[in-house]
Amino acid sequence: GDSVTQTEGLVTLTKGLPVMLNCTYQTTYSPFLFWYVQHLNEAPKLLLKSSTDNKRTEHQGFYATLHKSSSSFHLQKSSVQLSDSALYFCALSEMSNYNVLYFGSGTKLTVEP
Amino acid sequence: DTTVKQNPRYKLARVGKPVNLICSQTMNHDTMYWYQKKPNQAPKLLLFYYDKILNREADTFEKFQSSRPNNSFCSLYIGSAGLEYSAMYLCASSRDRGNQDTQYFGPGTRLLVL
Repeated sequence: GDSVTQTEGLVTLTKGLPVMLNCTYQTTYSPFLFWYVQHLNEAPKLLLKSSTDNKRTEHQGFYATLHKSSSSFHLQKSSVQLSDSALYFCALSEMSNYNVLYFGSGTKLTVEP
Repeated sequence: DTTVKQNPRYKLARVGKPVNLICSQTMNHDTMYWYQKKPNQAPKLLLFYYDKILNREADTFEKFQSSRPNNSFCSLYIGSAGLEYSAMYLCASSRDRGNQDTQYFGPGTRLLVL
């Protein structure tokens, strides 16, 4: 069945450093990948989404490229800020009738001064 | 306004008692979803409504019920809460049911069953 794997549960970085949060997926259908971000006590919000192979998608300084050859959709940022501290979820939707999301377990990013 | 609202934000329930969680959205979205999230686990889809049609996941079919009296509101009902129901419950909505449609999430209801 469909699944998403996020290998890092916790990432702690100093402000200004680059970050990459890993996301790999498994599906037999054509994938649509999402990154959601959830700040403390807030609702998860869409950060990025893509279904186009090898095309970089950017938003709010974050970027990700869907690589179907390696089933990956890693999230990156060149310089993290304190406000980037949050929980990041990778999610997969397959090309089917319904918009069902399969989530990874999430990566908690903490940015320190 | 892309806000999805959930009430209550926190709920304390006793084992064996019923629990009713409420979700609302004013975006006229056709589809509304309920997810369960436990610590260090991925959010798990419980069920969703496309218009008036309810779809429930096979492994949670008998544990959760739902109603959607109108386009804006959707409830999640637990008939008899057990300790294993303690979790964060996230409601989401999307304009349609296509796999490219963004799901908009509410802030969640944290349920603690004692």
